[in-house]
Amino acid sequence: SQQGEEDPQALSIQEGENATMNCSYKTSINNLQWYRQNSGRGLVHLILIRSNEREKHSGRLRVTLDTSKKSSSLLITASRAADTASYFCATDANGSEKLVFGKGTKLTVNP
Amino acid sequence: NAGVTQTPKFRVLKTGQSMTLLCAQDMNHEYMYWYRQDPGMGLRLIHYSVGEGTTAKGEVPDGYNVSRLKKQNFLLGLESAAPSQTSVYFCASSAGTGRGGAEAFFGQGTRLTVV
Repeated sequence: SQQGEEDPQALSIQEGENATMNCSYKTSINNLQWYRQNSGRGLVHLILIRSNEREKHSGRLRVTLDTSKKSSSLLITASRAADTASYFCATDANGSEKLVFGKGTKLTVNP
Repeated sequence: NAGVTQTPKFRVLKTGQSMTLLCAQDMNHEYMYWYRQDPGMGLRLIHYSVGEGTTAKGEVPDGYNVSRLKKQNFLLGLESAAPSQTSVYFCASSAGTGRGGAEAFFGQGTRLTVV
């Protein structure tokens, strides 16, 4: 079964608002990553956070990781129409060589 | 620098036919993965490889075989295609998982339809 589960499944906001997506996972992990997918295209890596890190920033992106709750959040600040895409979290569990993805959150940013 | 290249980009198969999807990466990555993506299901791991000559099963391996004869190539085979294998297939490569885990790079996908 898939390790990560994103929430919500779909999110619609206005340009300029912040978007928050959550990811929950089941077992202890080494790393958690967030990816973006534009419709019909391949996935693009956004950010990787290691299990001993609690927060990471990259431009307008902020990722947090709470290993005690087995959850992560991705915040996109001051969203733009170009941020419209699906966002996926991916984890590699302790002792595993697999990189396992969740089902994704579909974000729509309305101009 | 091409990154990860998948061949072909589109294919229509008849039930029972066989085909091979090719994934090539030029980043000297040890790890390579094959995923399938279906509506509402996210990406599901089919098979993966942690180095030349090695392969392992993922979450949904039935009906597929793989080979990694060369480090840069990872082949996904369908011996007898079924309509349930209609999907978009993605290949990815990375330097690895674990404490030294790194980002994965994805190909542009292969859209396969089995009729």
